[in-house]
Amino acid sequence: DAGVTQSPTHLIKTRGQQVTLRCSPKSGHDTVSWYQQALGQGPQFIFQYYEEEERQRGNFPDRFSGHQFPNYSSELNVNALLLGDSALYLCASSFRDRTNYGYTFGSGTRLTVV
Amino acid sequence: QKEVEQNSGPLSVPEGAIASLNCTYSDRGSQSFFWYRQYSGKSPELIMFIYSNGDKEDGRFTAQLNKASQYVSLLIRDSQPSDSATYLCAVNWGVANFGNEKLTFGTGTRLTIIP
Repeated sequence: DAGVTQSPTHLIKTRGQQVTLRCSPKSGHDTVSWYQQALGQGPQFIFQYYEEEERQRGNFPDRFSGHQFPNYSSELNVNALLLGDSALYLCASSFRDRTNYGYTFGSGTRLTVV
Repeated sequence: QKEVEQNSGPLSVPEGAIASLNCTYSDRGSQSFFWYRQYSGKSPELIMFIYSNGDKEDGRFTAQLNKASQYVSLLIRDSQPSDSATYLCAVNWGVANFGNEKLTFGTGTRLTIIP
């Protein structure tokens, strides 16, 4: 049973560029949440997708956008990259309205903006 | 501003002893509470969740919740070197639905078990 898969694992981008990160949820999961974890900090909620719609959003600017596909996979897009966007980006999947509290996290994408 | 506070540590505990990790949160409307373990360079892994006042035990781990004091803790009995990691406390502020939590994490407590 495949867990949550994220790609790429590492990425280096230049300030001002755009980046797309990808996530495939665990088999049977239908909800995808994205988190940003800066070095030495806890993960911060970016947004959550269910039924191909953004359902909840954290305090992130519009430069951060996403998408969910019919097969439940998801993308996180970040435009006009800033040095402060350098972080570990975590995708987490879950099964909405089921008694499986908590997420399953993917291994993350380490984004470095130079 | 909804906040989750943890002592960043490091917390050093001898092997075989009990490790006690603490977390406080700012909003009485919080519904459910989670402890995640994160090894260096890895993603968080769910250890325990709790949503009712009192204690919840799972193997060597016990989560304790006191909503009146806005306090949640994690006890690790018979600590092993493999327990050395950062422990993240997370709080779900929203309605206690399942699978669609919006979690606010603390900064984590770094735990080191000394052989």
